[in-house]
Amino acid sequence: DGGITQSPKYLFRKEGQNVTLSCEQNLNHDAMYWYRQDPGQGLRLIYYSQIVNDFQKGDIAEGYSVSREKKESFPLTVTSAQKNPTAFYLCASSMVAGGGPQHFGDGTRLSIL
Amino acid sequence: QQQVKQSPQSLIVQKGGISIINCAYENTAFDYFPWYQQFPGKGPALLIAIRPDVSEKKEGRFTISFNKSAKQFSLHIMDSQPGDSATYFCAACYTGGFKTIFGAGTRLFVKA
Repeated sequence: DGGITQSPKYLFRKEGQNVTLSCEQNLNHDAMYWYRQDPGQGLRLIYYSQIVNDFQKGDIAEGYSVSREKKESFPLTVTSAQKNPTAFYLCASSMVAGGGPQHFGDGTRLSIL
Repeated sequence: QQQVKQSPQSLIVQKGGISIINCAYENTAFDYFPWYQQFPGKGPALLIAIRPDVSEKKEGRFTISFNKSAKQFSLHIMDSQPGDSATYFCAACYTGGFKTIFGAGTRLFVKA
């Protein structure tokens, strides 16, 4: 079955530590996205990528970094500069950027130790 | 101008009743309006979507009503069931726009 796989499902971060969240898709989609979801605030865009080796900052990119070396993969690193990282992180993909549906993974819940 | 305003924030409906969630937008360039359904611990999943050239789209018990002049669209869930209890997000985007703008979400609880 085609879809988006996020791992791990749960992740704990220590102070001063960088952590990386994995996102893999086998839908052959060009565009990929990372969202942060906090209770009552909907989905906020962290980064998006339209094609391999290209990515753009979203609305809340500070303290996060991404790479897009392969079409299928779009990992997100939460750096120690992100002072409030506790949230539910969602990865999504779409056939092209904008104008169509997005397919989401089942998320990674990140907590501070 | 990029916001999508969604209401209500939460909704309780009796089994068999009609659930109605409303959204409003400002940017007239938006040309795709999806609704997503999210269960706890899961990612959102596309439920139904509409483009502005039609005023209504129905899929089973789910209907989107679209009012282009008022820049509003709504989701109607007919014969609501306990299994429909979830968070619903409206969204808007436009071809070539790269970003999808999401509403803040509505938590629906259907009482058995």
